[in-house]
Amino acid sequence: GALVYQYPRRTICKSGTSMRMECQAVGFQATSVAWYRQSPQKTFELIALSTVNSAIKYEQNFTQEKFPISHPNLSFSSMTVLNAYLEDRGLYLCGAPDRANTEVFFGKGTRLTVV
Amino acid sequence: GDKVKQSPSALSLQEGTNSALRCNFSIAATTVQWFLQNPRGSLINLFYLVPGTKENGRLKSTFNSKESYSTLHIRDAQLEDSGTYFCAAEDGNMGYKLTFGTGTSLLVDP
Repeated sequence: GALVYQYPRRTICKSGTSMRMECQAVGFQATSVAWYRQSPQKTFELIALSTVNSAIKYEQNFTQEKFPISHPNLSFSSMTVLNAYLEDRGLYLCGAPDRANTEVFFGKGTRLTVV
Repeated sequence: GDKVKQSPSALSLQEGTNSALRCNFSIAATTVQWFLQNPRGSLINLFYLVPGTKENGRLKSTFNSKESYSTLHIRDAQLEDSGTYFCAAEDGNMGYKLTFGTGTSLLVDP
């Protein structure tokens, strides 16, 4: 399957500060990248879907002002969590569909702890 | 309500036994994926399904789009099958977007 790398795997930030996470597609073209969050004891919520050369679509309860995303080319995307607070902690996953169909492959995630 | 209802939420199996997990959809699911989340949080792709059935080793999955459900059958459960299983459906009316179920936490005991 397609390979998606995420960095960092874990991060701790102080309440009110920001952190940036990165997502790299290897061996395939990630025309679309989806960012998800899994909060403690919960399922995965879609934050936004980013498509190269198109506007980024944010889901309800998530905004560009809080989670700005960059998707400059077909292999890289980054997302920043601005002004992080306790409710932002969780596992952030980026996923991209294989070009052959819409099967999505995910990175191993960035686990955010806010202290 | 939940767009993807997954059951059971938790399951305990003895090694060597069989079981089935199920997801019911209230969205117009066009494709379904099943994942296993390992203890470190990584999502492992198990199946990608258009309507129909696939089998891979001791796992078998069916997606019935007309009746809006998908199942994952585990045969001869092994200790390494333990983890949390998630189904996720692509909503045909929303373009490319995966909506996840709430997960099934599986524990296989010796």
